[in-house]
Parts: sequence; C-alpha cells; structure tokens
Amino acid sequence: DAGITQSPRHKVTETGTPVTLRCHQTENHRYMYWYRQDPGHGLRLIHYSYGVKDTDKGEVSDGYSVSRSKTEDFLLTLESATSSQTSVYFCAISVFGGGGTGFTDTQYFGPGTRLTVL
Amino acid sequence: DAKTTQPNSMESNEEEPVHLPCNHSTISGTDYIHWYRQLPSQGPEYVIHGLTSNVNNRMASLAIAEDRKSSTLILHRATLRDAAVYYCVSNSNSGYALNFGKGTSLLVTP
Repeated sequence: DAGITQSPRHKVTETGTPVTLRCHQTENHRYMYWYRQDPGHGLRLIHYSYGVKDTDKGEVSDGYSVSRSKTEDFLLTLESATSSQTSVYFCAISVFGGGGTGFTDTQYFGPGTRLTVL
Repeated sequence: DAKTTQPNSMESNEEEPVHLPCNHSTISGTDYIHWYRQLPSQGPEYVIHGLTSNVNNRMASLAIAEDRKSSTLILHRATLRDAAVYYCVSNSNSGYALNFGKGTSLLVTP
C-alpha cells in the first residue's frame, strides 16, 4: 500500500468553514497528488506536488490550496468549504520506473477521505 | 492529452475470462497505457501497464494493439472479488499526473 495514510477518514462540516485534509507517506516519494471523486466524473486532479514547497494546479483547483513543508506530508485546504466540495478525496504518490524507450510512473492511492459540506 | 474511451459497464460469469477494451487513438509514441481498478469504498489500485508489447503479471494480462490505438485488459478467470471499476489511463497534460476517465464497471456473477 506504499505506506499512505489520510486523515481524517470522514468529516462533516458546515459551509464557510475551513477544512484541512492530510496525506502522509512513509517512503520518501517525491511526487504526491490530491484527487477528488464524484459520481459521474471519475477521478479529477486537484493539485500535485513534485517536491517540498513545489506544487502545481490540476484540473479542478479552484477553491483549494495545498502545502508541502515536509516530504512526507501533503496538505489540502479548503479555505471556505462549499457544498460543491462534498466529495471523496484521494491522495496518491508516484513510484517511477521505466523500460524500453519510455518512462512512466505507477501511482498508489490512500484510502480516501469522505467530506460532507452541509 | 491522450483521451481514453471505455465501455461504461461489462458483465462476466465467475471463473470465465474477461476482456476489458480501451481505445486511446490519440496516444503519443512514448505514453504508457496504465490500468487501475477501484473496488467498492476503496482507493484505486494499480493493475498493470505497458508501452508496446503485451504484458503479464499476477493480476492480469495487457494486450496492446500493434498501432497502439487500443488495448485490452485480460482477467483470465474472473472471481467475485474482481468486481470493480477498471480504469484505462494515460499521461495527462499536467506533468506526471494520470488522466482518469470514468472507467468500466465490471459485474461478476456467480
């Protein structure tokens, strides 16, 4: 499971409140990702990180910020939660390898955080 | 950005082989094809990946068309535990992040 944990696993909050989700890994991987998953949309990338203090936006980054002050932790913050941010959030890390003429990564996912914004 | 197309759902009988198709006609020459699956209430898990040649591992086989515009994930003997959503994914524009579509929901019946 690549040593990935997410906390909290479940959270219910109210509209307008700040929320921070934590992703923790134990294997010193450089790349980390935050996805959200909603019915009918599959997995969509929110933000990702390619090193300590190095982050970039994904497909659905509006309303979210991230921070990575240590290799092992990648935090996702909803500054002012809205009902549209009710979702299941998955963290992932990349393990890189390649063969032949290509270079690719395999992603390993955490167990997810179910967030409900009322 | 290589878009992938999969059937929404498929059904199989237990202990029979399952062939899950994926079209990726816009894939670039150096993009790998990855397959992941997601069991109910769990995060996605890696199944297999390949570039040009067919690949086998303990979970499945991956057959890649010679023109690389399509691939097929093969489960040799489906079990009830293989009921999941299967994603065929490719590299996205955002660096090394994977571009997940909606996947194929596989139903396995006894």
